[in-house]
Amino acid sequence: EVQLVESGGGLVQPGRSLKLSCAASGFTFSNYYMAWVRQAPKKGLEWVATISTSGSRTYYPDSVKGRFTISRDNAKSSLYLQMNSLKSEDTATYYCASQSAYGPYYFDYWGQGVMVTVSS
Amino acid sequence: DIVMTQTPSSQAVSAGEKVTMSCKSSQSLLYSENKKNYLAWYQQKPGQSPKLLISWASTRESGVPDRFIGSGSGTDFTLTISSVQAEDLAVYYCEQYYDTPFTFGSGTKLEIK
Repeated sequence: EVQLVESGGGLVQPGRSLKLSCAASGFTFSNYYMAWVRQAPKKGLEWVATISTSGSRTYYPDSVKGRFTISRDNAKSSLYLQMNSLKSEDTATYYCASQSAYGPYYFDYWGQGVMVTVSS
Repeated sequence: DIVMTQTPSSQAVSAGEKVTMSCKSSQSLLYSENKKNYLAWYQQKPGQSPKLLISWASTRESGVPDRFIGSGSGTDFTLTISSVQAEDLAVYYCEQYYDTPFTFGSGTKLEIK
């Protein structure tokens, strides 16, 4: 059974940093592109970052580019999101998701999500 | 950026009825080299994380009931639920993965009368 378990969320002040982690199991982690997708309270879904299978390529939308960094450790089957210079608009539930074994396509498995609140 | 527009924003139907929801993209999601549409549908039930229902516009994921049908091509797509069940109460999102930034529609909330 595929499992994606996020951790590291919490309350953080604007301008500070936070690092999220995602522990994967039940599939060959190193064969999958991986991603982070967020959902602000009562809002829709927003893609945040994607990383290739080896970690050599990363992709971000303009809203987080230069502030967020996605990384992975295939030996530990783990995905990370380093979030710097956090803003109130980054407040959301952050989901770890696998993004297909064939390329950065659809998000096929999702974690349960972790809440990040940016507030003073 | 590719803008995804979903309609209606909400819909209430009775169990057993057929429901259709629309998703339109601001540019074609059909990749000419492989003739595939880079469009997915997700279901998010209350309090849960999203679940992939359909990829490539019409390929149902394993375990997804066959009452869920994806169709369309280019810029116009439809998700049909042939006979709605009470457990289909959810918000349904379409998403394009044709190009970055990957973008989602704003969702269609399905309510059961």
